[in-house]
Amino acid sequence: EAGVAQSPRYKIIEKRQSVAFWCNPISGHATLYWYQQILGQGPKLLIQFQNNGVVDDSQLPKDRFSAERLKGVDSTLKIQPAKLEDSAVYLCASSQPYRRREQYFGPGTRLTVT
Amino acid sequence: GIQVEQSPPDLILQEGANSTLRCNFSDSVNNLQWFHQNPWGQLINLFYIPSGTKQNGRLSATTVATERYSLLYISSSQTTDSGVYFCAVGGYGQNFVFGPGTRLSVLP
Repeated sequence: EAGVAQSPRYKIIEKRQSVAFWCNPISGHATLYWYQQILGQGPKLLIQFQNNGVVDDSQLPKDRFSAERLKGVDSTLKIQPAKLEDSAVYLCASSQPYRRREQYFGPGTRLTVT
Repeated sequence: GIQVEQSPPDLILQEGANSTLRCNFSDSVNNLQWFHQNPWGQLINLFYIPSGTKQNGRLSATTVATERYSLLYISSSQTTDSGVYFCAVGGYGQNFVFGPGTRLSVLP
């Protein structure tokens, strides 16, 4: 069974530029999560999708971050314009919905904003 | 929301030693996972354990949901066990919250 795929693995951009990250969840997993992990901290949830609908985006900075999950499979997270404090690892995870929500994580995208 | 604490924050062991990592949470949960984040940043599932006890090789975990804590035991530690260990908890109808992690260094 293939795991969660993410790309790119690394990205360096200048502040005020835009960037997009892609995630492909485990086949059959209806729930998809995007997390931000700043160096030295635990991951923080940005947004959760169930199929192609948003369940929770309460911690997503909506003035600069956006995410979509078309057709309930792949997802894209975008930052526009980027700030220095957006430097972090962006992790995608997926799980079955409902009671047993065991999450499986992708390798992450390390973003550096200069 | 749920508050999650992990202890100790840092742990240094000699290869072959045993250790216990603790995760305390502030409210009832129905989802709890332990992860190992390796030096390359990959989060690896160790246990899905909202209650009870599980074992997998040298690792075992126990969650006492009524007391709001979980323990991760590592026996006969190896250098490859180094990294950060996170617990993540989710309450009823709530999303997962990660603890701050325990950074483990196993010396040869």
